[in-house]
Amino acid sequence: QSVLTQPPSVSAAPGQKVTISCSGSSSNIGNNYVSWYQQLPGTAPKLLIYENNKRPSGIPDRFSGSKSGTSATLGITGLRAGDEADYYCGSWDSSLSAHWVFGGGTKLTVL
Amino acid sequence: VQLVESGGGLVQPGGSLRLSCAASGFILSSYWMSWVRQAPGKGLEWVATIKQDGSENYYVDSVKGRFTISRDNAKNSLYLQMNSLRPEDTAVYYCTRFPLFYFDYWGQGTLVTVSS
Repeated sequence: QSVLTQPPSVSAAPGQKVTISCSGSSSNIGNNYVSWYQQLPGTAPKLLIYENNKRPSGIPDRFSGSKSGTSATLGITGLRAGDEADYYCGSWDSSLSAHWVFGGGTKLTVL
Repeated sequence: VQLVESGGGLVQPGGSLRLSCAASGFILSSYWMSWVRQAPGKGLEWVATIKQDGSENYYVDSVKGRFTISRDNAKNSLYLQMNSLRPEDTAVYYCTRFPLFYFDYWGQGTLVTVSS
């Protein structure tokens, strides 16, 4: 069971908007940055969002991130078939044993 | 930026393996680095992180005392020494750059299979 909680799956039609939630605690999301990763089938993960809401160069503005309290959200607008992938949130956890934590991942299906 | 892992393979339970990661396109000594793994059909799991000069290391509880992360900045290389391997260590292991606090570049991964 992952420290960060994500819905196992979400789905939406092409062109629509979808959001993926990531719930944590004060030791991770509440006091540290959140990042998001996209993993297309059979490939290595790729950074989508870092420091809660920043996009690396080359990531389109269809992807957005936000954080409030101990939860974070990834938003994807203008859905395309190529967005179908697994999405993971992650954060540093500054509890007694400092470590990194990932969410369990969310499978996005573009209908 | 390029990260290329090597050293994966099939090993028996209790055995050892050393993974390597060749880094290029950036100054390795300027960055924290990490290993992240993914068991077949499962999610991502952080394994270990090392500071630029190797003076600080962090590990997931399940590998503490068995795995050692290290680096040789002069050789542009990151390593993961894995001892006392267990079947549950079976996974694709990714080398990642970790510029505090996110993983911005990932290698293609190397598969480690622990089985008799």
